[in-house]
Amino acid sequence: NAGVMQNPRHLVRRRGQEARLRCSPMKGHSHVYWYRQLPEEGLKFMVYLQKENIIDESGMPKERFSAEFPKEGPSILRIQQVVRGDSAAYFCASSFSEEKLFFGSGTQLSVL
Amino acid sequence: AQTVTQSQPEMSVQEAETVTLSCTYDTSESDYYLFWYKQPPSRQMILVIRQEAYKQQNATENRFSVNFQKAAKSFSLKISDSQLGDAAMYFCAYSLRNSGNTPLVFGKGTRLSVIA
Repeated sequence: NAGVMQNPRHLVRRRGQEARLRCSPMKGHSHVYWYRQLPEEGLKFMVYLQKENIIDESGMPKERFSAEFPKEGPSILRIQQVVRGDSAAYFCASSFSEEKLFFGSGTQLSVL
Repeated sequence: AQTVTQSQPEMSVQEAETVTLSCTYDTSESDYYLFWYKQPPSRQMILVIRQEAYKQQNATENRFSVNFQKAAKSFSLKISDSQLGDAAMYFCAYSLRNSGNTPLVFGKGTRLSVIA
């Protein structure tokens, strides 16, 4: 059973471009979470999704950020018109139940 | 809002010795989970140990154990017989336990160095 897969591992974008981060949860997991980690900081919750539904987006910036988890395919975190402050590591986690989250290795986004 | 505080930005330990990492949290809830995660340079977040708040017994996983003091809202991690592979960032985290999934709240982390 493969773990949580995130790609790309590293993503470089220029200011104003779009960034698309992908996350494939573990097989059988229907809950997906996105977290952001700034340098020297802990992970900060962004959004929680189940298949085709956003359950909690209280940690998501109101503008430029969106997330989806379609019926088929990976979960996508999309950042439009990126700015330097968006540079961070973005982690995806999946779970089957509330008891245990499995994390991917993250995508390091660098905005030039 | 729940908060998690790790007051030690950096710690070091001699190989084979024991080290304790501190964590305190703030919550008005009575039923929750506490976690310690390890993040090596590979960036992978690895679950080290988990504690349910309703259990009085401290969780233990091999060389890793916790000291859970619910009244004091303290959740420290003890690593015994430290190994070079234990060098990493360690994050304490909290999650409310309810019928649905709730997100983890993380502390800022403690960087552990292991000296050979």
